Amino acid sequence: EPEVTQTPSHQVTQMGQEVILRCVPISNHLYFYWYRQILGQKVEFLVSFYNNEISEKSEIFDDQFSVERPDGSNFTLKIRSTKLEDSAMYFCASRQTATGNTIYFGEGSWLTVV
Amino acid sequence: SQQGEEDPQALSIQEGENATMNCSYKTSINNLQWYRQNSGRGLVHLILIRSNEREKHSGRLRVTLDTSKKSSSLLITASRAADTASYFCATEKETSGSRLTFGEGTQLTVNP
Repeated sequence: EPEVTQTPSHQVTQMGQEVILRCVPISNHLYFYWYRQILGQKVEFLVSFYNNEISEKSEIFDDQFSVERPDGSNFTLKIRSTKLEDSAMYFCASRQTATGNTIYFGEGSWLTVV
Repeated sequence: SQQGEEDPQALSIQEGENATMNCSYKTSINNLQWYRQNSGRGLVHLILIRSNEREKHSGRLRVTLDTSKKSSSLLITASRAADTASYFCATEKETSGSRLTFGEGTQLTVNP
């Protein structure tokens, strides 16, 4: 079964450093997402992306965050200046159409900010 | 309560027993999806049920949806130790586009 792949699986970074998390969505999917899950908490929506632009973002997704689809296969999340509270599991997800069908998630990238 | 709340928060059963987890939500939805998450791992999609559907099956899984009560249930029959995981419901609202809103999850432990 096709899958969403994410790298790195785990990253430790110093506070204030920039981090880029990478994702390869399922190849025929058009809608891409980032979610995060702080340890012990529920999964929270960050941003959705379609047709090379952000279609929706949450209040968590402030100016420190950005997303990009630099080529035909990758989808990245950048955190410009990491804070301790950015420590979380970040999930990339994709789906074929805008609504009404399955959203597939990757295995996640654990980010630890020290 | 928040959109997509599961109960119980934790459930411990013996292998072979059935496990039922419930999810409640507040706003009108387009669909509801159930996911499983093993500890520290990714979210595995289990079932999607649309707002015009009342019940769906997939193997040992049965999901029901009651839009009048704004609730859903996930039943796992003949549970196995490998079913031990957290289970989340996630709703897609009618009006919000494609965002999923997750519940707190139910931690299921199946004892061998």
